[in-house]
Amino acid sequence: DSGVTQTPKHLITATGQRVTLRCSPRSGDLSVYWYQQSLDQGLQFLIQYYNGEERAKGNILERFSAQQFPDLHSELNLSSLELGDSALYFCASSPQSPSSGETQYFGPGTRLLVL
Amino acid sequence: ELKVEQNPLFLSMQEGKNYTIYCNYSTTSDRLYWYRQDPGKSLESLFVLLSNGAVKQEGRLMASLDTKARLSTLHITAAVHDLSATYFCAVWRGARFGNEKLTFGTGTRLTIIP
Repeated sequence: DSGVTQTPKHLITATGQRVTLRCSPRSGDLSVYWYQQSLDQGLQFLIQYYNGEERAKGNILERFSAQQFPDLHSELNLSSLELGDSALYFCASSPQSPSSGETQYFGPGTRLLVL
Repeated sequence: ELKVEQNPLFLSMQEGKNYTIYCNYSTTSDRLYWYRQDPGKSLESLFVLLSNGAVKQEGRLMASLDTKARLSTLHITAAVHDLSATYFCAVWRGARFGNEKLTFGTGTRLTIIP
């Protein structure tokens, strides 16, 4: 158990809908990262937050957004869902920023299926 | 744009043998990570390599980084079945390159055969 929690574990929804994925980092970790894993695209880095502020942006679509709250949990919002958004979404956390080269601890993931 | 290539994509090896997974990246970067993923599971961080010549070892796995060649290797020594998994490398480019970003390789699916 990495100490990172994600909810829900599974999500089934329809095209055009909007969903919110939630991540609680390990206690004390300031950085939260979001990743998408799909058969088509492989593993992709979406976005990173450090202590409430966006720090780095990867291949995140404009239909997607994220935020990190004062209690350091994070939410990933996916809107106008398409079939191709079906994927496994991981959250990870680390104590400091990426500049320190620290290990990231991954949550169990949320499996999203868009029908 | 940074590209990260791993090879091989699939690897079957017998228990007790040694083998190496290669990770090439296309442009100068800040650090390199190796991860492990078991089927249906999340990712586990294995190594973080920060500088040229860095070598890290954990059990039967050893990772190294050659920034001049833009190459990292993950060497498996005397493989055991428990090492069967998919291994990913990922390259981090920090703020000095513009937008900070982590780019993953395609992964190497390793199967250890008894």
